[in-house]
Amino acid sequence: KQEVTQIPAALSVPEGENLVLNCSFTDSAIYNLQWFRQDPGKGLTSLLLIQSSQREQTSGRLNASLDKSSGRSTLYIAASQPGDSATYLCAVRQEGQGAQKLVFGQGTRLTINP
Amino acid sequence: GAGVSQSPRYKVAKRGQDVALRCDPISGHVSLFWYQQALGQGPEFLTYFQNEAQLDKSGLPSDRFFAERPEGSVSTLKIQRTQQEDSAVYLCASSPTLVSGQYFGPGTRLTVT
Repeated sequence: KQEVTQIPAALSVPEGENLVLNCSFTDSAIYNLQWFRQDPGKGLTSLLLIQSSQREQTSGRLNASLDKSSGRSTLYIAASQPGDSATYLCAVRQEGQGAQKLVFGQGTRLTINP
Repeated sequence: GAGVSQSPRYKVAKRGQDVALRCDPISGHVSLFWYQQALGQGPEFLTYFQNEAQLDKSGLPSDRFFAERPEGSVSTLKIQRTQQEDSAVYLCASSPTLVSGQYFGPGTRLTVT
C-alpha cells in the first residue's frame, strides 16, 4: 500500500527566505506526482505536476524535483512572501491497480512571517 | 474557463439524516473523483468515475455512502443515515486524461450534529 509522508508538518520562516518542503513515498511505481496548495477553508490549487519520466518542474518562484527511484520529491520556494502562507500537499498517482486515485501526504503547514 | 464547482459549500445535518453533495466537473473531463478530508489531514480517496462508469469505489467507508454520475458529467455523493464521524470536507476533482493532473473544487464542508 502506497504511503506518502511530508516533513516537516509545520514550518515558520521569516519573509524573504528560501525554503524546501519534503515529500517521500513508499512505492516508486507512480505515473506522476502533484504538489498542491490549500488555503484555510478552501479547496486544493495545483502548483506543479511532475510526470514519472521527469526530474523537475518550475513555475515562477517554485521548483519541484522528483527522484522516483528513491521515492522522494522536494518543493523549493524562493524568496518567500507572506502570501505563500498555506498548507502544501503532495500526492502521487500510482501505476497499476488503483492507478486513477491520488494518494496524499498529510501536508506541511507553512507560515511566512513579515 | 470555469473550474470544478461543488454545492452546497456548507451543510449541517442532524445525525441520521441523508445528505446529497453535488459536483460539476470541468467540461470535457472524463474522469471524476471524490475525496474525503478530515480536519488536519490530507484528502483520502473515496471513489472514481470514467464517464458514467464507477470504476473504483474502494475508498467508500461504508454502504451508507453512494455516488453516481448518470450522464457522465455531474456527480452526486449521497450519504445515508449520517453519523458524526462523517463530518469532513468532501472534495471533488476532475481530470481530462490518465496522465493529467487533477483539478479540485472548493469542497463541501459537512458537519453532522
